Amino acid sequence: KAGVTQTPRYLIKTRGQQVTLSCSPISGHRSVSWYQQTPGQGLQFLFEYFSETQRNKGNFPGRFSGRQFSNSRSEMNVSTLELGDSALYLCASSRDRGSTGELFFGEGSRLTVL
Amino acid sequence: SQQGEEDPQALSIQEGENATMNCSYKTSINNLQWYRQNSGRGLVHLILIRSNEREKHSGRLRVTLDTSKKSSSLLITASRAADTASYFCATDSNDYKLSFGAGTTVTVRA
Repeated sequence: KAGVTQTPRYLIKTRGQQVTLSCSPISGHRSVSWYQQTPGQGLQFLFEYFSETQRNKGNFPGRFSGRQFSNSRSEMNVSTLELGDSALYLCASSRDRGSTGELFFGEGSRLTVL
Repeated sequence: SQQGEEDPQALSIQEGENATMNCSYKTSINNLQWYRQNSGRGLVHLILIRSNEREKHSGRLRVTLDTSKKSSSLLITASRAADTASYFCATDSNDYKLSFGAGTTVTVRA
């Protein structure tokens, strides 16, 4: 069974640009969550989607957005990039999320903003 | 903001020794989970303990949970070089997200 796939794995952008990150969950998993990981702030929750509906959103500015498609694949977008957006962006999937069970994480997309 | 705080921040042990790390959290939880992360990689789920459980074992892992003190501990017995990683506790408060602690970096020396 294929794991969670995130693309691209590495990317470099400049300030002011925008970026779109993609996440394909494990087959059969309908919940997708996104986390930002930085040395200073640790792992911060961005958003969670289930059946194309955002059920929770973290404390991030509106420049951070996401969506989920009918096949459960998800994308997140960051517009008007800032230096502080440099981070490892992690996607995780689970079968459902009434109460959170085990999350399966991808390897992450490492974004560097210059 | 992070729900959990982990202690110690870093731990260095000899192969074969036990490693213990602690996690404290602030709000009521549905369950608490522990994850491992090898340098720059994704997180791997280790174990989940529900709020009505006090102790759980999985292989060389032992997790305890004290909801009255809002704390948990993870014990790794007979450590191996492959256990070198960062370990995170994460709490689920039934709000469709996990809140992670800052993590404990464990180095196992051969």
